[in-house]
Amino acid sequence: AQSVTQLGSHVSVSEGALVLLRCNYSSSVPPYLFWYVQYPNQGLQLLLKYTSAATLVKGINGFEAEFKKSETSFHLTKPSAHMSDAAEYFCAINAGNMLTFGGGTRLMVKP
Amino acid sequence: DTEVTQTPKHLVMGMTNKKSLKCEQHMGHRAMYWYKQKAKKPPELMFVYSYEKLSINESVPSRFSPECPNSSLLNLHLHALQPEDSALYLCASSPDRKVNEKLFFGSGTQLSVL
Repeated sequence: AQSVTQLGSHVSVSEGALVLLRCNYSSSVPPYLFWYVQYPNQGLQLLLKYTSAATLVKGINGFEAEFKKSETSFHLTKPSAHMSDAAEYFCAINAGNMLTFGGGTRLMVKP
Repeated sequence: DTEVTQTPKHLVMGMTNKKSLKCEQHMGHRAMYWYKQKAKKPPELMFVYSYEKLSINESVPSRFSPECPNSSLLNLHLHALQPEDSALYLCASSPDRKVNEKLFFGSGTQLSVL
């Protein structure tokens, strides 16, 4: 069985502040982990993925995530939030043959 | 071309109507997917096609009928839907069904069932 849990359905930060979106996973086999972003009325776009090559993964738009096996976590960070980062973010896992999404976190950026 | 194109973008239908959603990609991908997404919820997998054959059906009601006419096209035929079927329907594709591959998503069809 595989699952991901995103802590916090809503996160609000000020423009220029650190962004931290939390994701914890559960898997009986080594997982592949992904972060996707969804802007309003759009499909999902891949930000980054972990495929065991390196624990610190850099993605698009200045985002990065660190895979921590001991904590079963794959948190998403960005040093400085921009207004354009406001969107829904989904953590996802594939430890078999199916991609499973977490519940999502809505990121709001205040000017 | 790195896009997945879905038509129509919006669809309103009655419970007795028959309609179809279309999805197209020209990236040479051999896996294609249908997801259903309710408001403020994550996408839920409905169907997976691999090399034009249905490989996963996530216990979807028979009022939803998928079709993969060729490697570039994926359809979802709708018949006798219920109001609770109103949602954003997302199509996605990937080169294959390997676990480490990313999915390319279309912008979706926003479906309203009256």
